[in-house]
Amino acid sequence: EPEVTQTPSHQVTQMGQEVILRCVPISNHLYFYWYRQILGQKVEFLVSFYNNEISEKSEIFDDQFSVERPDGSNFTLKIRSTKLEDSAMYFCASSELREINEQYFGPGTRLTVT
Amino acid sequence: AQTVTQSQPEMSVQEAETVTLSCTYDTSESDYYLFWYKQPPSRQMILVIRQEAYKQQNATENRFSVNFQKAAKSFSLKISDSQLGDAAMYFCAYLSPTGANNLFFGTGTRLTVIP
Repeated sequence: EPEVTQTPSHQVTQMGQEVILRCVPISNHLYFYWYRQILGQKVEFLVSFYNNEISEKSEIFDDQFSVERPDGSNFTLKIRSTKLEDSAMYFCASSELREINEQYFGPGTRLTVT
Repeated sequence: AQTVTQSQPEMSVQEAETVTLSCTYDTSESDYYLFWYKQPPSRQMILVIRQEAYKQQNATENRFSVNFQKAAKSFSLKISDSQLGDAAMYFCAYLSPTGANNLFFGTGTRLTVIP
């Protein structure tokens, strides 16, 4: 069964450094998402992406964040200058269509900022 | 923005018994979608069940079923014949068919299954 994959599974970085989290969505899916989950808190939407551009973003997704689909398979989230409060699990998800089709989640990348 | 509330931070159930997890939501929309996601210790989010608001019939997936009360804006999950593998965090989520196509999650309920 096709699945969303994410690399790395765990990333440790120093405050102020740039990180890139990578995701490979399911191949025939058209919509891509990033969510994050700070430890012990609920999952929060960051951004959605369709047709090579951001379709929606939350207030969390400020200028420090960017997303890109550099080729036909990868979908990346970049954090330019990490802060301690960026420490969280970051989940990538994809869906085939915009609406009812469910969003399939990847296993997540645990980002630790020290 | 839509809000999703899960009032039970933790629940426990005896193996083979039935447990119900509560979820309420707030919305002004008449058409929307509701989901229950399971997050086991591996932390991957797995879809358990979904419900379209325009459908009156409650969704069922094997041992999992929902009690969808649209007027009360309530969407509870019932797990029958609980198994040890059901132990996980369970998140209720809301999806609007218009505007942003993002899921709004509740704060989750941690389910413990007692052998």
